[in-house]
Amino acid sequence: AQSVTQLGSHVSVSEGALVLLRCNYSSSVPPYLFWYVQYPNQGLQLLLKYTSAATLVKGINGFEAEFKKSETSFHLTKPSAHMSDAAEYFCAVSGDRGSTLGRLYFGRGTQLTVWP
Amino acid sequence: EAGVVQSPRYKIIEKKQPVAFWCNPISGHNTLYWYRQNLGQGPELLIRYENEEAVDDSQLPKDRFSAERLKGVDSTLKIQPAELGDSAVYLCASSFPRHTDTQYFGPGTRLTVL
Repeated sequence: AQSVTQLGSHVSVSEGALVLLRCNYSSSVPPYLFWYVQYPNQGLQLLLKYTSAATLVKGINGFEAEFKKSETSFHLTKPSAHMSDAAEYFCAVSGDRGSTLGRLYFGRGTQLTVWP
Repeated sequence: EAGVVQSPRYKIIEKKQPVAFWCNPISGHNTLYWYRQNLGQGPELLIRYENEEAVDDSQLPKDRFSAERLKGVDSTLKIQPAELGDSAVYLCASSFPRHTDTQYFGPGTRLTVL
């Protein structure tokens, strides 16, 4: 079965600093990977997704992620944090066979705090 | 464009009581998902529908959980009887059928079982 590991349940940065949220996946075949953001009392919103095209994926709100097959990683970055980026971020990988193809496997999430 | 609609947003019940959640997906999305998100965890899939057919329900605890999607549009997820461990946020999502298509999530129903 697929699995996702997000390193660091909490990340704190100052406004204007680099944001780096780490995600590693396990998959027996090339995966499809996603980053979602969740604001308090809201559903998940897609930031970006990797579907085997370019390894560097650009998303909304200035976020991007790089797929590195050799490291089985899909880390999320943003060059300059903004206060509005404070939220919980989830990495997810899609199922790779049969009836699980449409299933997303989520990591435990990383809570991002941005200090003024 | 309207997003995924869920109701109620919050529900508090006592254990052993039944509870039901409703979801209206985005128009034109024939794939519908129910996820459960426990506190401090990522969502976990309970069931996935393609139109009216449940194509992935291996994670649904069938002794107490049931779901239906009549006419391939709205869906209802039911728990009977509820247990303390069922306290969680229940998220509904919808998408087009390809597994690379984006899943759009509703705001969820926060269930508290006392």
